Order: sequence, then structure tokens, then C-alpha cells
Amino acid sequence: QVHLVQSGNEVKMPGASVKVSCEASGYTFRSYGFSWVRQAPGQGLEWMGWISAYNGHTNFAQRFQGRLTMTTDTSTSTAYMELKSLRSDDTAVYFCARAHHYANSLYDYWGQGTLVTVSS
Amino acid sequence: QAVVTQEPSLTVSPGGTVTLTCGSNTGAVTSGHYPYWFQQKPGQAPRPLIFDATNKYSWTPVRFSGSLLGGKAALTLSGAQPEDEAEYFCFLSYNGARVFGGGTKLTVL
Repeated sequence: QVHLVQSGNEVKMPGASVKVSCEASGYTFRSYGFSWVRQAPGQGLEWMGWISAYNGHTNFAQRFQGRLTMTTDTSTSTAYMELKSLRSDDTAVYFCARAHHYANSLYDYWGQGTLVTVSS
Repeated sequence: QAVVTQEPSLTVSPGGTVTLTCGSNTGAVTSGHYPYWFQQKPGQAPRPLIFDATNKYSWTPVRFSGSLLGGKAALTLSGAQPEDEAEYFCFLSYNGARVFGGGTKLTVL
């Protein structure tokens, strides 16, 4: 069965960077992609971006352009989301979700979420 | 950026029927927005229910259905159960980028 397991919670200072991982199992890694979604405390969901594990193509929400990097490592079946220049309003639970490798769609399986707290 | 609108809250009686809607400030929601619907309970990851407006996942209960209705995407729950109390988010595509609605808190009471 498909599983997405994310890295543990993080506490970061403003201005720092955070890198969250999402390890996939139960399917052929390169046949799919990943999307990342975040949720601030008590707030709704926010789509951040998508990456194809097949060819590395990405599509990011405009508001994260320049601050967001997404990568995949086929050797470990792991996707990564790195957000730089953290601000207090980046405090949120970050989720990975499986997507098609060719399009920003599918969203059938999700990681458990990683809480990133940005605080001085 | 596009804004996706949902009812902030709705209440349905056990066994009753309720329709949640999802609109866009750019105009009518169509199949080209590839609407998704997710259910989320506190402390849990979102659970997908509907994709591409009307299609169900293998785990989607039969009582949930998706449609396009009057220029909006809609999620209809027929025969509400206590376990359906949750927040529901719609999710639209705009030329490859995606935007979530603000969510509808559904109370079964």
C-alpha cells in the first residue's frame, strides 16, 4: 500500500530556511509527482507547488516564487520542499501529497504533516 | 490571484441532504477547473473525496457526489452521518496552478 512519511516537526528562527522531506513507498516513485500544501494554525489549506518525480518539472504558486525549492531523490524515493527566508506567517503544518508526474492533479495519498514553527 | 469561495458554515440533520458550493471570482466554474473536494477533520491530513468535478475515489462513500451546478462546483451529501461532521475544501485549477477555497465547516446536528 501507498505511504508518504514526512520528517519531524521543526522550529526555525525568522530568516532561516527549512527543508521538509516526504518518503514514499508502495509504488513506483518516478511514475508520479508530489504537491505540497500548507495549513497555518486554525486556517485553511494553501497550495504551494508541484514537482514531477519523472522529469523534475515544477509549478509553484506565485507568492512563493524565489523562496521555494522542490526536489526529488529517486535513489531514496523521497521528495523535498525547502522554504527560505522564513517569516512568522510561514508557521504552518506542511503536507505532501502524491500527484501525477505529468500534471498537478491526483492528490490521492497524503503525508501526515510536518509542523514548522517560525519564532524568535 | 484567483479567489475561490465557499460557504463558511452549514448545518445538516442526521439523514438529511446538504449541498456545498464552490465559486470563482474569475467567472463560472467549469470542468476545465478540474474541481476537487477534500474532507478534513481536526488534526488530520485532508482526505480526497471527489476529483475532476464528479469522479469518486475508491474510498469515497456513496452518499457523497460532485457536480457542476449553476456556474459553481458542488458537493452533495445525501443521508448525512455523524462522522461527516468536518471541514470541506474545494480546490480549483487555473492554468496548472491550484487554489483552495476557504473551507466549509459542516455540522451534523
